Amino acid sequence: KNQVEQSPQSLIILEGKNCTLQCNYTVSPFSNLRWYKQDTGRGPVSLTIMTFSENTKSNGRYTATLDADTKQSSLHITASQLSDSASYICVVNDRGSTLGRLYFGRGTQLTVWP
Amino acid sequence: EADIYQTPRYLVIGTGKKITLECSQTMGHDKMYWYQQDPGMELHLIHYSYGVNSTEKGDLSSESTVSRIRTEHFPLTLESARPSHTSQYLCASSEVVEEGGGKETQYFGPGTRLLVL
Repeated sequence: KNQVEQSPQSLIILEGKNCTLQCNYTVSPFSNLRWYKQDTGRGPVSLTIMTFSENTKSNGRYTATLDADTKQSSLHITASQLSDSASYICVVNDRGSTLGRLYFGRGTQLTVWP
Repeated sequence: EADIYQTPRYLVIGTGKKITLECSQTMGHDKMYWYQQDPGMELHLIHYSYGVNSTEKGDLSSESTVSRIRTEHFPLTLESARPSHTSQYLCASSEVVEEGGGKETQYFGPGTRLLVL
């Protein structure tokens, strides 16, 4: 069964600290993996997208890694800010259909405290 | 910031009412999607469209219907709302960057939070 599992479910950190969010998937075949940020009451916004051949991708203070062999990805946030408080969603795209079906994780709810 | 809009942002209605959730995008994208998301849960695809006059049901069974008469407009309609329809509905659009590679990025609207009493 194609699944995307994220951990932790929720995380609280102090402003300025670093954190790492995890994503494990069983989706096969595999095309690409994306991380989205979803602020409360808003739609998700894309942070990074990585294909099979890419094992790291950065977007400012966000760095995503991908290990396609172990089917694991992580999102590292450096020097967290209050505005980083949001849900971070891991999304995996398979290669099997014209639509390029997306499998969504449930997200990690990150809260950054001052 | 993506140019995709949803109205209303919040809606509280009574059981049995007919409602239409609006979604518009000004990016000229051919593909559009509707997702349903409950708190703390993953997004579930309920409808999608490849272009004008093309609509398909998604993975999650839904009593809603959609239409795609214009490229920029993809409304979702519930003929008779029930409390089980209470949820957040997210509209998205995308363009194909590389055929067969699925590398398109979906741009999401702000969502409509629906409460059916």
